[in-house]
Amino acid sequence: GAVVSQHPSRVICKSGTSVKIECRSLDFQATTMFWYRQFPKQSLMLMATSNEGSKATYEQGVEKDKFLINHASLTLSTLTVTSAHPEDSSFYICSARDKTGRSYEQYFGPGTRLTVT
Amino acid sequence: SQQGEEDPQALSIQEGENATMNCSYKTSINNLQWYRQNSGRGLVHLILIRSNEREKHSGRLRVTLDTSKKSSSLLITASRAADTASYFCATDAYSTLTFGKGTMLLVSP
Repeated sequence: GAVVSQHPSRVICKSGTSVKIECRSLDFQATTMFWYRQFPKQSLMLMATSNEGSKATYEQGVEKDKFLINHASLTLSTLTVTSAHPEDSSFYICSARDKTGRSYEQYFGPGTRLTVT
Repeated sequence: SQQGEEDPQALSIQEGENATMNCSYKTSINNLQWYRQNSGRGLVHLILIRSNEREKHSGRLRVTLDTSKKSSSLLITASRAADTASYFCATDAYSTLTFGKGTMLLVSP
């Protein structure tokens, strides 16, 4: 149980285009989903927290107009990187918290490798 | 920033040896968690220790927590080549996780 999927696993796009990454909780309902970013050989940095049906809360320094987050249902959150640039190339990981579980349990997706050329 | 600091940054050992990784953090926490990440992959949750616990075991893993020193350690006993990965501690304060910089562990056969 408690599986989180991400799609796509890898994506290559051209500079200036937008890319959407999906995060799904497969066997549980997630009231809260988190989006992280990880540069090579570095730690995960929290980008934003999204709650179903409400606006995402972005961490300091993360541009909300560039990283659009939509959490329209209890099993799906999407991250759209708009007007992507090479410096947006990174590993994006989502996690989800079970609606019925203990508040500290987060389940992580396998990540999406974004390369902007 | 609450971000933890792990040390060492990199650790290279032989199979069968024990591996110890340390994590320090800055503010009060509800719990501390350790994760493993294979290269280019997602995170695997290893173990969680609550702020009122001092030690916890899970298989070959042993975690300690010293809230007075704001530090934790992860011990992997009898390491295997398959343990090669990056290990991260993450502190849970207000239901969000803050990750440390990680330790890259290399276990040679």
